Amino acid sequence: ETGVTQTPRHLVMGMTNKKSLKCEQHLGHNAMYWYKQSAKKPLELMFVYSLEERVENNSVPSRFSPECPNSSHLFLHLHTLQPEDSALYLCASSQEAGGWDTQYFGPGTRLTVL
Amino acid sequence: AQTVTQSQPEMSVQEAETVTLSCTYDTSENNYYLFWYKQPPSRQMILVIRQEAYKQQNATENRFSVNFQKAAKSFSLKISDSQLGDTAMYFCAFMKKGGAQKLVFGQGTRLTINP
Repeated sequence: ETGVTQTPRHLVMGMTNKKSLKCEQHLGHNAMYWYKQSAKKPLELMFVYSLEERVENNSVPSRFSPECPNSSHLFLHLHTLQPEDSALYLCASSQEAGGWDTQYFGPGTRLTVL
Repeated sequence: AQTVTQSQPEMSVQEAETVTLSCTYDTSENNYYLFWYKQPPSRQMILVIRQEAYKQQNATENRFSVNFQKAAKSFSLKISDSQLGDTAMYFCAFMKKGGAQKLVFGQGTRLTINP
């Protein structure tokens, strides 16, 4: 299970901190995704990138800022977060952003906002 | 907007038994895909099985099969001869055909296989 890696695996931050989550895929895929998994809520899609261009922004607050410098790397920059942003953040990739290609998920970053 | 509902928050069965997880969805779309994903305690989500809405034949992957009822908007997952390694959260997901690959997930069912 090393196709999609995420770092760090755990992160604790204060509301005034700035941090970044990193995702890397080693599968040669062209599409990458950020999901938020909160307790007792369905997995929520946050962002979709296809060939380094953002193609979907699912009404995510501006305190979350994605960056996709190339098709293998995806970042999620965090600033002035709220305690309710505490969740598991999952990255995924697929061959293309259209069609029904299987999405491969990373292990996630467990984020706690104090 | 599409919604996916999994009405069983938790289920528990004995090893080797057959278990069925339910999933219903709401959509006005005619062309779409349906998926079951598994998230073991280690947290890495993996695809279990998928189904194209236009195909009437139910998908099967080894011990995993689905019962797809398009008119009823139902997509249940059957696990036969369950194994301890099947213990996980199971998520049903919907994707409209075309456009970005936007998966809409259900709330999940926590399945425990007991020895």
